[in-house]
Amino acid sequence: GAVVSQHPSWVICKSGTSVKIECRSLDFQATTMFWYRQFPKQSLMLMATSNEGSKATYEQGVEKDKFLINHASLTLSTLTVTSAHPEDSSFYICSARLTGTGAPWGQETQYFGPGTRLLVL
Amino acid sequence: ILNVEQSPQSLHVQEGDSTNFTCSFPSSNFYALHWYRWETAKSPEALFVMTLNGDEKKKGRISATLNTKEGYSYLYIKGSQPEDSATYLCASPDNDMRFGAGTRLTVKP
Repeated sequence: GAVVSQHPSWVICKSGTSVKIECRSLDFQATTMFWYRQFPKQSLMLMATSNEGSKATYEQGVEKDKFLINHASLTLSTLTVTSAHPEDSSFYICSARLTGTGAPWGQETQYFGPGTRLLVL
Repeated sequence: ILNVEQSPQSLHVQEGDSTNFTCSFPSSNFYALHWYRWETAKSPEALFVMTLNGDEKKKGRISATLNTKEGYSYLYIKGSQPEDSATYLCASPDNDMRFGAGTRLTVKP
């Protein structure tokens, strides 16, 4: 099946530093990847949609200058949390949509990475 | 219902018990209902994509039903095993994929 990796799996950093998280589709090409954030006991919340070769689309309330997304190839999207602060501590998880299956919009399966736990001190 | 909601939040059952939990979703502008299984320290794994009212899908001991008119889906696990312990997520796309908070299932040996 389609495999998505995410690196690092966890990171601890000092306040004010920037952290880059990588999301890779290992055995398929993903023109679209998604970045989610999850707080304890809450739902996965979509932060942004990452499109290969174009600018990411950010959800309302998500600061694009704070959470930089780059989707430079068909297998890699990166999320950089710039000038991280303790309130950015969270679980970040990416997914990639398997396109080209012919399935209508909304019915395409998303394949997830294992997530990255970020702790900002 | 404006959001995707799941109940219960957590569930503890004994090995061999059958169990079920609920996902409620907005019934207007329905496209699909996705179920995922998420084991600790692993990636969420797709279980089912359900699209038609009255759909019933099955994978081994796990099955799911869908009622798009009233906006709910049930996930059933027959004869629960410890390896079924996981968080079960449902999601329904609107403009984007909206997830429930999940039902955390623990199966005790």
